[in-house]
Amino acid sequence: DTAVSQTPKYLVTQMGNDKSIKCEQNLGHDTMYWYKQDSKKFLKIMFSYNNKELIINETVPNRFSPKSPDKAHLNLHINSLELGDSAVYFCASSPPSRADTQYFGPGTRLTVL
Amino acid sequence: DQQVKQNSPSLSVQEGRISILNCDYTNSMFDYFLWYKKYPAEGPTFLISISSIKDKNEDGRFTVFLNKSAKHLSLHIVPSQPGDSAVYFCAASGAAGNKLTFGGGTRVLVKP
Repeated sequence: DTAVSQTPKYLVTQMGNDKSIKCEQNLGHDTMYWYKQDSKKFLKIMFSYNNKELIINETVPNRFSPKSPDKAHLNLHINSLELGDSAVYFCASSPPSRADTQYFGPGTRLTVL
Repeated sequence: DQQVKQNSPSLSVQEGRISILNCDYTNSMFDYFLWYKKYPAEGPTFLISISSIKDKNEDGRFTVFLNKSAKHLSLHIVPSQPGDSAVYFCAASGAAGNKLTFGGGTRVLVKP
C-alpha cells in the first residue's frame, strides 16, 4: 500500500507533445506538491495545493498546469513539451499539523526527445 | 541564488565510523530544518528534523546539530552502516510554512 504514488514512472516523448503525470496519496494529507529535480540534482518546488486550492506557484512556465480533482490527487499536465523539461518530477504530500514534513512519491522520469 | 547549500557533493566512510554531513543556509527567516535520504529510483524519505529553537535533535543513530549564528547545520550518523549509502538532502522552511528549499545533496558511500 504505497503512500504517495505516481504514474507513469518513466515517460519518453517528443518535443511539442502534451503529457500528464498523475499523483495520488492515501495518507489523508491536505497538502500536495510537485517538485522538479533537474540534471544538476536540485529539487525545486513547482506547485503546492491545499484542499484543492493552489497556494504555491513558483516561477513555472504556463505550459505547466496542475489540477487537483480532490485532496488525494494532484496531477501535472504539461503542454508543448520542450527539451529542457526533461527531469525527474516528484509529487509529495504533507499533514496539516506539520506541513514542513513532506512525504514523496517515487518520481517520474520525463525524457523529451 | 542558492539559499541552502551542501558544499560536499560526496562522502566516503568506513562502516562503523561516523558520517558527518554539512549544510549552510543564507535565509535568516528559515526556522525549521530537515534531512531527507534518497535511494536511486526512489523519492526522498524524511529522516530527521530540527526546529530553530533547538540546537540538537537525536533519533537513534542520527543526530542533527543546528548553529543558528553560523547558519549551519550538520547531520551525524553513528555508526555508519552500508545501508546508509544514499544521497542526503538538507532542506529548510520559513515563516511561509510548507515551502521547502533543498540543498543540492551529498552522496554518502559506506564501505563495508
